Amino acid sequence: AQSVTQLGSHVSVSEGALVLLRCNYSSSVPPYLFWYVQYPNQGLQLLLKYTSAATLVKGINGFEAEFKKSETSFHLTKPSAHMSDAAEYFCAALPEGIQGAQKLVFGQGTRLTINP
Amino acid sequence: NAGVTQTPKFQVLKTGQSMTLQCAQDMNHEYMSWYRQDPGMGLRLIHYSVGAGITDQGEVPNGYNVSRSTTEDFPLRLLSAAPSQTSVYFCASSYSGVPTETQYFGPGTRLLVL
Repeated sequence: AQSVTQLGSHVSVSEGALVLLRCNYSSSVPPYLFWYVQYPNQGLQLLLKYTSAATLVKGINGFEAEFKKSETSFHLTKPSAHMSDAAEYFCAALPEGIQGAQKLVFGQGTRLTINP
Repeated sequence: NAGVTQTPKFQVLKTGQSMTLQCAQDMNHEYMSWYRQDPGMGLRLIHYSVGAGITDQGEVPNGYNVSRSTTEDFPLRLLSAAPSQTSVYFCASSYSGVPTETQYFGPGTRLLVL
């Protein structure tokens, strides 16, 4: 079964520093991959998604993620953190051949804190 | 356009009580889903619907019932609440079931079962 692992349940960076949130998936066949963000007291919002069209995916709010098949990874990055980036981030995967966007497999989440 | 709305925002139940979590969307989406979010476990799919009158089980369906009589509404029923159902519940919708379709999430219902 597909699984998604996010390394680090909490990540803390200084404002202006690089943000790197790690995500690895377990599958011999690359799945569709997603990053969602959850701001305090809100629902999840799609940041970006990998659909095999390009390995470097750009999303909203300056975030991007790079799909690396050899490492089974889909890490999320942002060159310069902003205070408004403080949130919880979820990596998710949809196994190849599975119909239904609702059948995403989610990682456990990474809470990002931004220090002034 | 309100998107996906959920009520209530917060609820406290006693063990054995029943309740219904409401979810509505005004985007004419066919697909609707319920997830629960527990610390350190991400989101897990409870039930989903691919259209009015059609529902199916997800990963963790036990203790929950759903029905979909209209395109707009997808309520989640807890038949006899248990402390293990203490969680944050999210409703989501999407236009179709295409794997890369974006899902839109509601703000969540925080449930505490004593």
